[in-house]
Amino acid sequence: ILNVEQSPQSLHVQEGDSTNFTCSFPSSNFYALHWYRWETAKSPEALFVMTLNGDEKKKGRISATLNTKEGYSYLYIKGSQPEDSATYLCAPTGNQFYFGTGTSLTVIP
Amino acid sequence: EAGVAQSPRYKIIEKRQSVAFWCNPISGHATLYWYQQILGQGPKLLIQFQNNGVVDDSQLPKDRFSAERLKGVDSTLKIQPAKLEDSAVYLCASSRTGTGVLNTEAFFGQGTRLTVV
Repeated sequence: ILNVEQSPQSLHVQEGDSTNFTCSFPSSNFYALHWYRWETAKSPEALFVMTLNGDEKKKGRISATLNTKEGYSYLYIKGSQPEDSATYLCAPTGNQFYFGTGTSLTVIP
Repeated sequence: EAGVAQSPRYKIIEKRQSVAFWCNPISGHATLYWYQQILGQGPKLLIQFQNNGVVDDSQLPKDRFSAERLKGVDSTLKIQPAKLEDSAVYLCASSRTGTGVLNTEAFFGQGTRLTVV
């Protein structure tokens, strides 16, 4: 079982602010790092899958970076919008998906 | 393509009662996962199936939880008898291959919110 830590646990930002979260994980036995977005009453939705050290992925205003040597990934949201409000989960995979506790983001209009 | 289907969406039961959840994964997905997500915590894997075989059930409380995936398609998760601490969201997910393959993405259902009173 991997120990996956996400910080902060929750975050409130004003509309238009940029923000970022951290996912920390053991760097051994690493296959890939997944980011999921989970809105209330909906299914968790995959945002990114990253595998290589130094990987950077981008989807619209959201981007993510990966450092497999030191065991962390950052998720950035530029110009937050109310529709970005959700819980963001990271999951490094070894033999299974190991989910962190998530970062709950609330964007205040 | 259709997504992962789960039912029911919500369930309220008294402690010591039994409950069952159903999951229909995406067609063609060999791997099926059941997760338990307790409020304030991340999803915890209960059981992982590859086709109709169990890959990992190390975190499944086997004294009260059971799961099966007959014919390698649909799956049911049962709790008997339920305890107060079983109150959680139960998520089913499926993926085309197992997690040992790079870039495997899991697709989730909407979950079943269980409240045990």
